[in-house]
Amino acid sequence: KAGVTQTPRYLIKTRGQQVTLSCSPISGHRSVSWYQQTPGQGLQFLFEYFSETQRNKGNFPGRFSGRQFSNSRSEMNVSTLELGDSALYLCASSAGPGNTIYFGEGSWLTVV
Amino acid sequence: EDQVTQSPEALRLQEGESSSLNCSYTVSGLRGLFWYRQDPGKGPEFLFTLYSAGEEKEKERLKATLTKKESFLHITAPKPEDSATYLCAVQARNSGAGSYQLTFGKGTKLSVIP
Repeated sequence: KAGVTQTPRYLIKTRGQQVTLSCSPISGHRSVSWYQQTPGQGLQFLFEYFSETQRNKGNFPGRFSGRQFSNSRSEMNVSTLELGDSALYLCASSAGPGNTIYFGEGSWLTVV
Repeated sequence: EDQVTQSPEALRLQEGESSSLNCSYTVSGLRGLFWYRQDPGKGPEFLFTLYSAGEEKEKERLKATLTKKESFLHITAPKPEDSATYLCAVQARNSGAGSYQLTFGKGTKLSVIP
């Protein structure tokens, strides 16, 4: 059974640009969540989706947004990129809220 | 606000030298406590979920235990391939939205020296 797949794995963007990251959950999983990981702050929750509805959102500015499609695939978007947005962005899926969460390999974003 | 504190931040062990990692937590309405292993440049790999005080789970050289305030990850006779960062996370019910987000600790970086 394939795991959580994230694309792209690595990308470099310039300040002020926007970026879209994609996530395909484990087959049959309907809950997708996103986390940002940095050396200083560790893993921080961005948002969670279930059945195309945002269930919860972390303490991040409105430049960070996401959505989930009917096939459970999810995207997150960061607009007006800042240097501080450089991080590993992790997508995770589960069978539903409250079930074990499995992570993808992440998308490494570098903002220059 | 949910809080998770892991100690120590880093741990160096000789191969075969057993030890324990600590995860202290403060959360309202604990749904579960999770342990993950993360290798450099990779996403966290699921290890265990613990749901209630007194529960224990084992996998190879790892054993996780849970009390009402903390969890321990015991590593018995570690090998160099056990070197990784071990992350602890709590899942609590967000009563407002019915969500179950994870709150992570900063992790313990374990190095096992041959």
